[in-house]
Amino acid sequence: GAVVSQHPSRVICKSGTSVKIECRSLDFQATTMFWYRQFPKQSLMLMATSNEGSKATYEQGVEKDKFLINHASLTLSTLTVTSAHPEDSSFYICSAKQGWNEQFFGPGTRLTVL
Amino acid sequence: AQKITQTQPGMFVQEKEAVTLDCTYDTSDQSYGLFWYKQPSSGEMIFLIYQGSYDEQNATEGRYSLNFQKARKSANLVISASQLGDSAMYFCAMSPITGANSKLTFGKGITLSVRP
Repeated sequence: GAVVSQHPSRVICKSGTSVKIECRSLDFQATTMFWYRQFPKQSLMLMATSNEGSKATYEQGVEKDKFLINHASLTLSTLTVTSAHPEDSSFYICSAKQGWNEQFFGPGTRLTVL
Repeated sequence: AQKITQTQPGMFVQEKEAVTLDCTYDTSDQSYGLFWYKQPSSGEMIFLIYQGSYDEQNATEGRYSLNFQKARKSANLVISASQLGDSAMYFCAMSPITGANSKLTFGKGITLSVRP
């Protein structure tokens, strides 16, 4: 299967700072990328869908000004958690797909906000 | 709207035995895909198996098979000859087959523990 990477794998930051998470499709061009968050022992919750070169589509209840998504190229999407607070601590996972093909998931980023 | 239901509590199975993980779904889409993913403690989502709504035969991938009963709207995962490495969280998911932005809807997951 195709490979999707995420960086960093873990990040610890102070409350009030911003954190950027990168999602890259390594061996294919991703027309669409998805961002999920997952709390412990819970399911993945879709945050937003992004297409290269256009604005992301956010799910209901997700603050677009807090979770900034940029999909600058067909192989890179970034999620920036702005002014992070402890309640933003979570596991963030991206996935990427090419056309109508299946989604390939990144390994996830564990964010801890102190 | 799509909905996936996984209601089993934590599941336990003896090594080398088979186990069935239940999944029911609801959708108004005519064409859809059903997926199972495995998530070990490391957090990565590992794709296991896919079933298209128009596929007449049940999907199989090695030790994994999907028991697809369209009329009952169920898509149970069967793992044969369980191994210790199968201990993980398992998610059932579905998406419409209607375009590049088609989203995956996940169930809440089932924790499987394989006993030696």
